[in-house]
Amino acid sequence: DQQVKQNSPSLSVQEGRISILNCDYTNSMFDYFLWYKKYPAEGPTFLISISSIKDKNEDGRFTVFLNKSAKHLSLHIVPSQPGDSAVYFCAASARTNAGKSTFGDGTTLTVKP
Amino acid sequence: NAGVMQNPRHLVRRRGQEARLRCSPVKGHSHVYWYRQLPEEGLKFMVYLQKENIIDESGMPKERFSAEFPKEGPSILRIQQVVRGDSAAYFCASSPLDRVNGYTFGSGTRLTVV
Repeated sequence: DQQVKQNSPSLSVQEGRISILNCDYTNSMFDYFLWYKKYPAEGPTFLISISSIKDKNEDGRFTVFLNKSAKHLSLHIVPSQPGDSAVYFCAASARTNAGKSTFGDGTTLTVKP
Repeated sequence: NAGVMQNPRHLVRRRGQEARLRCSPVKGHSHVYWYRQLPEEGLKFMVYLQKENIIDESGMPKERFSAEFPKEGPSILRIQQVVRGDSAAYFCASSPLDRVNGYTFGSGTRLTVV
């Protein structure tokens, strides 16, 4: 029973264009969502988060959108840069167990020069 | 370096041996988490600890696996009698009490069972 799903294992975009990474969740108790970025042979690094009381959070080139009714969130990267090429993980947590985050399987983003 | 320190980076064990993975959290972080990443898969939750307490071990296999976070010293993930299926990358993360800025992850320990 996978509670956080990233249905696209990979995504390829041209430098300068927008990258859109998607994530769906099934647990209605989730109220905090995060995106992490991971390079090979390194641990994931926190990128951006959003609380369920918001529907959008922006940080520079990165914007996360949350659609609670659809249980869907997305990460937009614009403009995409070759250095953005990495695996992106979506994660979710519930206030009742705030310490534990449930991760998706990740989407490998390749930004072509 | 104020990050999460994991050691060793690479660990090779023969089937039946014990593996001990160490994790020193960010100074001031009171929460430690262990995740496992099998080849071609995502990060799977194993266990969540605070000092001297296991808060949630719902992702930990019932046998052969144990974790601790003592009052002094690093957190330890211990795998007894390793099998080939235990080969994976094991990531430790830490966080303060609030969850606003997510976890800080270590670089992981890559366990290979031969």
